[in-house]
Amino acid sequence: GAVVSQHPSWVICKSGTSVKIECRSLDFQATTMFWYRQFPKQSLMLMATSNEGSKATYEQGVEKDKFLINHASLTLSTLTVTSAHPEDSSFYICSARTPGLAVEQFFGPGTRLTVL
Amino acid sequence: DAKTTQPPSMDCAEGRAANLPCNHSTISGNEYVYWYRQIHSQGPQYIIHGLKNNETNEMASLIITEDRKSSTLILPHATLRDTAVYYCIVRVPSNFGNEKLTFGTGTRLTIIP
Repeated sequence: GAVVSQHPSWVICKSGTSVKIECRSLDFQATTMFWYRQFPKQSLMLMATSNEGSKATYEQGVEKDKFLINHASLTLSTLTVTSAHPEDSSFYICSARTPGLAVEQFFGPGTRLTVL
Repeated sequence: DAKTTQPPSMDCAEGRAANLPCNHSTISGNEYVYWYRQIHSQGPQYIIHGLKNNETNEMASLIITEDRKSSTLILPHATLRDTAVYYCIVRVPSNFGNEKLTFGTGTRLTIIP
């Protein structure tokens, strides 16, 4: 199946700093990518839908100014957590689907963010 | 999206078939049933999907009842590596690839040696 990568796989940062997480589709073009967040022992929660060349669509309750999403190319979407705080510590996962070829979404391995 | 109901946890002996049920009594006619699993600290992995016919691939089989109100994911010969949380999701796939997946709490499957 298609491969989605994320970088970094884990990151530790100080409170107040910003962290950028990259999501890449390695062998297919993804016009749409999705960003999820998962807290310990909880299910995945969709944060936003990232569309190539346009603004992301955020789910209710997700601060668009805090979680900046850029989908500059068909293979790369980035999530920037601005002014991170300890409550932003979570597992961030992206996914992508290639339209027209398959109905399943392919997920990245996730990025573990710890804010001190 | 149709809501799904899954048991919170299940155990299965290694080598035996693992049968994971999912209820989706409000499923509409054009909604597919998807199954994903998430091994600890990894991203979810697609397993299988179906509309109304039973499906089989190299990972699993999907049995959908005739009224489509429930389905069962079957892992024919469970191994320790199948220990994961399994999610049943119903959704209408978009031709544009922009449909959202809503994850419930899933079933935590533990394979017992």
